[in-house]
Amino acid sequence: GAVVSQHPSRVICKSGTSVKIECRSLDFQATTMFWYRQFPKQSLMLMATSNEGSKATYEQGVEKDKFLINHASLTLSTLTVTSAHPEDSSFYICSASSRGEQYFGPGTRLTVT
Amino acid sequence: AQSVTQPDIHITVSEGASLELRCNYSYGATPYLFWYVQSPGQGLQLLLKYFSGDTLVQGIKGFEAEFKRSQSSFNLRKPSVHWSDAAEYFCAVGYYGGATNKLIFGTGTLLAVQP
Repeated sequence: GAVVSQHPSRVICKSGTSVKIECRSLDFQATTMFWYRQFPKQSLMLMATSNEGSKATYEQGVEKDKFLINHASLTLSTLTVTSAHPEDSSFYICSASSRGEQYFGPGTRLTVT
Repeated sequence: AQSVTQPDIHITVSEGASLELRCNYSYGATPYLFWYVQSPGQGLQLLLKYFSGDTLVQGIKGFEAEFKRSQSSFNLRKPSVHWSDAAEYFCAVGYYGGATNKLIFGTGTLLAVQP
């Protein structure tokens, strides 16, 4: 139980384009999902908290117009990286909250060329 | 402010040897503490967690951790390491941020296992 999937697992895009990453809770409902970013050999940094049916809450220093989050249902949250640049290349991980615990997806490797 | 420190960036142990990964936290209230493991290019898997009660917590894959309030520590241990344990390990503290529980992660400890 408590499985979280992410799609795609890897994506390469050209600078200036937008990329959408999906996070799904497969066997439970999650009113809250989280988006993290992980740079090589570094820890996970929380980017934003995604709440179903309401606006996401962004951490300090995260550009909400660049990283658009939509949590349209209890099992799906999406992160769209708009006008991507090479410095946005990173490993993006989502988690879904259930009973106070977070369950993590396998991550999405974004490379912007 | 909440923070988590993992003093050891990289540790190498021999297969079959014991392991202890250190974690210190800073948090004003009673913490929720977690240990996660991450294999290369993968997401995080929960090894164990401490919310309250017994300070020695058993987890999956033979891991355990002990919460020591006086030392603000939550060290992860395993009596005999297997080659498959090679991975990155993250300690995290959970706190209530606004309307939900959030996690702050330490910088991680990369474990290498020698045959």
